[in-house]
Amino acid sequence: NAGVTQTPKFRVLKTGQSMTLLCAQDMNHEYMYWYRQDPGMGLRLIHYSVGEGTTAKGEVPDGYNVSRLKKQNFLLGLESAAPSQTSVYFCASSYSTSSEQFFGPGTRLTVL
Amino acid sequence: RKEVEQDPGPFNVPEGATVAFNCTYSNSASQSFFWYRQDCRKEPKLLMSVYSSGNEDGRFTAQLNRASQYISLLIRDSKLSDSATYLCVVNIDALRPGGSYIPTFGRGTSLIVHP
Repeated sequence: NAGVTQTPKFRVLKTGQSMTLLCAQDMNHEYMYWYRQDPGMGLRLIHYSVGEGTTAKGEVPDGYNVSRLKKQNFLLGLESAAPSQTSVYFCASSYSTSSEQFFGPGTRLTVL
Repeated sequence: RKEVEQDPGPFNVPEGATVAFNCTYSNSASQSFFWYRQDCRKEPKLLMSVYSSGNEDGRFTAQLNRASQYISLLIRDSKLSDSATYLCVVNIDALRPGGSYIPTFGRGTSLIVHP
């Protein structure tokens, strides 16, 4: 079992460029989440999904879009990157909202 | 006011010390509570769930106080390897049709254990 994987691990973008972060899990979890972590801010929820084909906004959704076309994958898109989106992005999955979340290793994104 | 609050620390303690962290939450309808550990530049990992009756795992004890709306984590006999950031997680009602509780993280408490 690979658990939760994220690609890429690192990325540098220029302002205005777009990119997609991929999260994959092999635990057959229904719930998947995208967080960003900034110094002193803890983890903040961007978007989440309660099942294939469904997504919902979290605490800080602006500037991001997501898709959950397959149960095992959750994609996070940045259409026009801004320096304020420089952060570490973590994906997580869980069996239910009351169970443990399993996290991927993170993607370190810098927007110049 | 943030929904889940933690003292960021750092808590700087010698090996062998006992240290306790609290985490307060604002939504009385919160259902599930967890403590996660995060090492520098790594992903968070579950340390323990927090049950109404409290729970203990070796040197770690977690408790829930619903009346005062806080959870606590007690670490006994601190080890150098306990140095990390401890994240409190509270599942809060998303207030959406169909109902779902979404996890909300505190900002974390930094623990440094020194020789």
